[in-house]
Amino acid sequence: EPEVTQTPSHQVTQMGQEVILRCVPISNHLYFYWYRQILGQKVEFLVSFYNNEISEKSEIFDDQFSVERPDGSNFTLKIRSTKLEDSAMYFCASREQGAVYGYTFGSGTRLTVV
Amino acid sequence: AQKVTQAQTEISVVEKEDVTLDCVYETRDTTYYLFWYKQPPSGELVFLIRRNSFDEQNEISGRYSWNFQKSTSSFNFTITASQVVDSAVYFCALSITAGNKLTFGGGTRVLVKP
Repeated sequence: EPEVTQTPSHQVTQMGQEVILRCVPISNHLYFYWYRQILGQKVEFLVSFYNNEISEKSEIFDDQFSVERPDGSNFTLKIRSTKLEDSAMYFCASREQGAVYGYTFGSGTRLTVV
Repeated sequence: AQKVTQAQTEISVVEKEDVTLDCVYETRDTTYYLFWYKQPPSGELVFLIRRNSFDEQNEISGRYSWNFQKSTSSFNFTITASQVVDSAVYFCALSITAGNKLTFGGGTRVLVKP
């Protein structure tokens, strides 16, 4: 069964450093998403991406965040200058057009900012 | 704005007991989609079911069943004859269109004791 792949599975970074989280969505999917889950809390929407541009973003997705689809297969989330409160699990998801069965989530990247 | 409420934060049962997870949603849209996801201790999000607002039929899949009641804006989930492997956090989620973001509830942690 096709999967959404996220790398790395766990990343530790120092406060103030830039971090890039990588995702390889399912190849025929057209819609891409990033979600965040602070430990023990609910999953929160960050951003959706379609046709090479952001289609929607949440209040969490401020100027410190950016997304890119650099090469037609990868979908990245960059955090420019990480803060302690950015520590969370970040999930990538993708969906094909008109999908009946919903989104496919990756297994997540646990980001720890120290 | 959409909202999903899972009032039960944690439920503990003994193996073979049934457990019902409550989900109440709020939306002004007449077309929407409801989801349940399972998050086992390993952290990934596992899709369980998607239901659209026009389909109020209840669904059964093995030991899992779902009860969708538009009149009470609820989409409850029952695990029959629970097993230790059912121990996880379960999230209910809402999307107002098929391609839009998912709004998650706070999750219900289910602990099944042997």
